[in-house]
Amino acid sequence: DAGVTQSPTHLIKTRGQQVTLRCSPKSGHDTVSWYQQALGQGPQFIFQYYEEEERQRGNFPDRFSGHQFPNYSSELNVNALLLGDSALYLCASSLNRVVNQPQHFGDGTRLSIL
Amino acid sequence: AQTVTQSQPEMSVQEAETVTLSCTYDTSESNYYLFWYKQPPSRQMILVIRQEAYKQQNATENRFSVNFQKAAKSFSLKISDSQLGDTAMYFCAFMKHALGGGADGLTFGKGTHLIIQP
Repeated sequence: DAGVTQSPTHLIKTRGQQVTLRCSPKSGHDTVSWYQQALGQGPQFIFQYYEEEERQRGNFPDRFSGHQFPNYSSELNVNALLLGDSALYLCASSLNRVVNQPQHFGDGTRLSIL
Repeated sequence: AQTVTQSQPEMSVQEAETVTLSCTYDTSESNYYLFWYKQPPSRQMILVIRQEAYKQQNATENRFSVNFQKAAKSFSLKISDSQLGDTAMYFCAFMKHALGGGADGLTFGKGTHLIIQP
């Protein structure tokens, strides 16, 4: 039973660049949520995708965008990178028809902005 | 909007001791869920325990139990017979009831770094 997988594990970018992070949900799950975890902080909710649409969004600027594919995998895109975007980006998945179940997390992508 | 506060940045106890991690939250929601997640150095967020707000009985999972005080908006985690493998960051998280199905985004506290000393 494959868990949530994220790629790449670690990424280094420079200010102003664009980045794409990828996530495959746990087998059988159809909903993907993305979180940003700055160093020494708790994760902050970015957005959630279900049925290939953004269903819910946290307090993040439009530079953060996403996509969900028919196989339920998802991408997080960040444009015009800032130093403050350096963080661990976590993907979590769940099954929509099971209401209010806990989300399953991946190991995250560590993004470093130089 | 809801907030989650963990007032203990770091705690250290001896192996086999009992430790309690504190969490308070603020919300205007009447129906919600509370979680404790563990994040070891491997980075993966692992669910420790879950509490439904409409349940008065405190949740327990083996050595882990919670003290849920709804009126006080308090949700503490007790770890009994602590083990070296319990060393990790512990995050308290809030999730409001998802009316439209699925699961809403989580609101996390800043975490407590728990160190179990041999």
